[in-house]
Amino acid sequence: DQQVKQNSPSLSVQEGRISILNCDYTNSMFDYFLWYKKYPAEGPTFLISISSIKDKNEDGRFTVFLNKSAKHLSLHIVPSQPGDSAVYFCAARGGSARQLTFGSGTQLTVLP
Amino acid sequence: GAGVSQSPSNKVTEKGKDVELRCDPISGHTALYWYRQSLGQGLEFLIYFQGNSAPDKSGLPSDRFSAERTGGSVSTLTIQRTQQEDSAVYLCASTQQGGTEAFFGQGTRLTVV
Repeated sequence: DQQVKQNSPSLSVQEGRISILNCDYTNSMFDYFLWYKKYPAEGPTFLISISSIKDKNEDGRFTVFLNKSAKHLSLHIVPSQPGDSAVYFCAARGGSARQLTFGSGTQLTVLP
Repeated sequence: GAGVSQSPSNKVTEKGKDVELRCDPISGHTALYWYRQSLGQGLEFLIYFQGNSAPDKSGLPSDRFSAERTGGSVSTLTIQRTQQEDSAVYLCASTQQGGTEAFFGQGTRLTVV
């Protein structure tokens, strides 16, 4: 039972364009959502987060949108850069569980 | 230390042997997590420690897996009688008191041959 789903295993975009990574969840008790970036042979690094009481959080080129009614969140990267090429994981936390539940990841490739 | 430290970075072991994986969390972080990532898969939760509370072991895949956290700091994940399906990258993360962002180590790549 996947509570956090990333349905696109891969995404390719041109440098300078917008990258949109999507994530869906099923557990309405989730109260906090995070995005992590992972390069090969490294651990995931925190990118940006959003509380369930908000619908948008922005940090530089990165913006996360949360649609609670649709149980959907997305990460926008604009403009995309080749160094953004990595696997992006969305994660959620909530209810009595303090651990993060991760999606399966999306491999983003930004083409120069 | 400055970040979460895991050792060893790579471990190759024979099927049936026991292995121990170590995690040094960020100093002062009260919560510690173990996850694993099998080839082509997402991050699978294994176990969670928070302060002096009983750990959440709900993610451990079998009774061959166990973990302890001594003195509220260093943690050891032990896998007994390793099987080939245990091959994965084992990731440790820690979180400060009241925090939500988990900081990950570089992981231990375990290969069972």
